[in-house]
Amino acid sequence: NAGVTQTPKFQVLKTGQSMTLQCAQDMNHNSMYWYRQDPGMGLRLIYYSASEGTTDKGEVPNGYNVSRLNKREFSLRLESAAPSQTSVYFCASNPPGHSTIYFGEGSWLTVV
Amino acid sequence: QQQVKQSPQSLIVQKGGISIINCAYENTAFDYFPWYQQFPGKGPALLIAIRPDVSEKKEGRFTISFNKSAKQFSLHIMDSQPGDSATYFCAAFYNTGNQFYFGTGTSLTVIP
Repeated sequence: NAGVTQTPKFQVLKTGQSMTLQCAQDMNHNSMYWYRQDPGMGLRLIYYSASEGTTDKGEVPNGYNVSRLNKREFSLRLESAAPSQTSVYFCASNPPGHSTIYFGEGSWLTVV
Repeated sequence: QQQVKQSPQSLIVQKGGISIINCAYENTAFDYFPWYQQFPGKGPALLIAIRPDVSEKKEGRFTISFNKSAKQFSLHIMDSQPGDSATYFCAAFYNTGNQFYFGTGTSLTVIP
């Protein structure tokens, strides 16, 4: 049981480049989330998806897009990367009516 | 605005001492208060959680104290060990909102 799997683990981008972070969960969870973690700022919600086919903005959505491809997969896209998007990104999921959220191992993104 | 306020930002404790991390919230709709532990290079993982109908929950050396009237909750780590050195996040959740709100994190260092 892999839980929540994120790829890539590490990525360096040049300003203006685009990329997609992939996330998949094998726990049959309805809800999935993308967070970014920055020093002193904790975990901030970028986007979330309560169920397949739905997505909603979180606290810091600007500069990002998401796709809930199916129940298992939730991807995060940076269309034109900026240095301010240098961060650690975490995907997470939780089952319906259940309060525990499960995180992936993180994706370290550096934009130069 | 920060839905969950956490302090201190960093904490250094001697081995065998007590580590205390505090959190406060405003939204009385929150109905679940988890603590997450994060080791370097890993995603956060659920440590212990409490619902507002109880004032304390203990699991081994970890205890949550919950004060509903003050809208505060805290994590106590008894007999702190070097292996407890990690970042700790408090969080709050309400089922109808289906969102988790995290504190800014506390970096705990336990000195041997």
